[in-house]
Amino acid sequence: EVQLVESGGGLIQPGGSLRLSCAASGFTVSSNYMSWVRQAPGKGLEWVSVIYSGGTTYYADSLKGRFTISRDNSKNTLYLQMNSLRAEDTAVYYCARITLSGQKDAFDIWGQGTMVTVSS
Amino acid sequence: SSELTQDPAVSVALGQTVRITCQGNSLRTYYASWYQQKPGQAPVLVIYGENNRPSGIPDRFSGSNSGNTASLTITGAQAEDEADYHCNSRDSSGNRWVFGGGTKLTVL
Repeated sequence: EVQLVESGGGLIQPGGSLRLSCAASGFTVSSNYMSWVRQAPGKGLEWVSVIYSGGTTYYADSLKGRFTISRDNSKNTLYLQMNSLRAEDTAVYYCARITLSGQKDAFDIWGQGTMVTVSS
Repeated sequence: SSELTQDPAVSVALGQTVRITCQGNSLRTYYASWYQQKPGQAPVLVIYGENNRPSGIPDRFSGSNSGNTASLTITGAQAEDEADYHCNSRDSSGNRWVFGGGTKLTVL
């Protein structure tokens, strides 16, 4: 079965760091574009970051270099390292696979999400 | 601009047809994809590309594109279609993605 399972969320104080994990099964993370998307409470979806199959990474401009996306091919797992966390980073964080077909790309597989709460 | 704009809320009578729109400059270059999200659940892809439905998505869901506007149409809306709908596309750079603010669909 193709699925993504996130972990690593929790309560963290402002200024702290947290690493989220996203374990994939049924497909190979390194052969796909993989992304993180977040959703603040009561708000819409916000794209966070992507890692291409070739390893190139991109981030939302709003993150200002605080987050790092990576993957461990041996574990078939995607990560999001989050540093200097702020209250506005409070959200459910989803990992998702991006399926590519010319200009018809789409986020076709989503994890269940992991909640990150930044609060003192 | 790298923004996608959606109406915050739309309602439809049971069994009727509803169109949810998404506007943005990037849609002149890239197709939109559409996601259904029910409370407490992860988003689910319902439409992508010109008008493609993933396996398992009912054929009452369809998509269209014109200029800077993408549309999701539900023909014969059902009670279970009540949800938030989010559009998405690459932004103008082609290496980042952007989501619309989401549309809350109420089925009356």
